[in-house]
Amino acid sequence: EAEVAQSPRYKITEKSQAVAFWCDPISGHATLYWYRQILGQGPELLVQFQDESVVDDSQLPKDRFSAERLKGVDSTLKIQPAELGDSAMYLCASSYRYNEQFFGPGTRLTVL
Amino acid sequence: QQPVQSPQAVILREGEDAVINCSSSKALYSVHWYRQKHGEAPVFLMILLKGGEQKGHDKISASFNEKKQQSSLYLTASQLSYSGTYFCGTERLRGANNLFFGTGTRLTVIP
Repeated sequence: EAEVAQSPRYKITEKSQAVAFWCDPISGHATLYWYRQILGQGPELLVQFQDESVVDDSQLPKDRFSAERLKGVDSTLKIQPAELGDSAMYLCASSYRYNEQFFGPGTRLTVL
Repeated sequence: QQPVQSPQAVILREGEDAVINCSSSKALYSVHWYRQKHGEAPVFLMILLKGGEQKGHDKISASFNEKKQQSSLYLTASQLSYSGTYFCGTERLRGANNLFFGTGTRLTVIP
């Protein structure tokens, strides 16, 4: 069964360092999402791509976060510099057009 | 824009029923339901579109009252495997699919 792949699964970094997360969506899924989930809360959408174009990044802290999906397939989310409050689970999801979203296993980020 | 879920937590014995509610202050096009087990990614359960339809599979069903901007998830004859945190995700515009997730309802099913 096709799955959304993410790496790394865990990342520990010190504040002010740069971190990057990678996501490979299910083949054929044109829509890709990055979410942040703080412990005990629901996922919060950071950025949504349709192919290589950003559809929604209204909740992305653009002073330190950036996301790209250059060829419309896999995607990278970067944080520079990381802050203590960025500690969270970062989830990637994909969907075929506008249907159910399939989530990857996530990257758990800890900022020290 | 975050929907409100209730209850925040519920404990059931196997075989008991539960209802989880999701309410929004904004007009909605659709409501999505997901279940997340501890340490795992959310897993899709179902989508309800504007039109008030009710959906279900196995012993889990849901309804969507577009006039009240509310959705309810019904779990019948709960099983141990139903344990997890349930999230509703709301979509305001047709085709946008940018979901706003609620804070979740933690469901624990005990033998």
